Amino acid sequence: DAGVTQSPTHLIKTRGQHVTLRCSPISGHKSVSWYQQVLGQGPQFIFQYYEKEERGRGNFPDRFSARQFPNYSSELNVNALLLGDSALYLCASSRDYEASNQPQHFGDGTRLSIL
Amino acid sequence: LAKTTQPISMDSYEGQEVNITCSHNNIATNDYITWYQQFPSQGPRFIIQGYKTKVTNEVASLFIPADRKSSTLSLPRVSLSDTAVYYCLTLGGATNKLIFGTGTLLAVQP
Repeated sequence: DAGVTQSPTHLIKTRGQHVTLRCSPISGHKSVSWYQQVLGQGPQFIFQYYEKEERGRGNFPDRFSARQFPNYSSELNVNALLLGDSALYLCASSRDYEASNQPQHFGDGTRLSIL
Repeated sequence: LAKTTQPISMDSYEGQEVNITCSHNNIATNDYITWYQQFPSQGPRFIIQGYKTKVTNEVASLFIPADRKSSTLSLPRVSLSDTAVYYCLTLGGATNKLIFGTGTLLAVQP
């Protein structure tokens, strides 16, 4: 079975531009979460979606938005890019929303560089 | 704010057993303890998860004392390829939001 897949793997943008990152969860997983990982730090939670509804949001500005589609894939959108948005963006999927005993599985991320 | 505390770094040699201890003094009754491994420029990879006592799988063991305020990840006979950052997290309640700390950088030397 395929794991979590993310596209693109790398992306270079300039300040002020907009970006869309995509994620396909593991088959059968209905929950998708997005994380931002800045170099040298642990991943920071951005959003969680379950059954196409936002179920959680981290401490990120409104420039960050996301959505989940009927097939459970997801997009993360970031507007008005800043230099500080340069990071590895990770997507994780799990079977359910409230599932403390079901671990999240991560993709290998999209490396976003802002020039 | 991370809910766990673990050493920033550890050194080991090939073939040794490595134990990484994590402190989670405020763990909730329903929380599970989960460990992830991360290599540079890759996503975190799930290693093991447990609630109490001992859990073992093909790559690691997880020891959890009765009070559940700490846990120890045990990696038997490490190799150079086990050099990575290891994250300890507690997960539970009405959300799947993972709160990562800075993790433990394990450096395995020949």
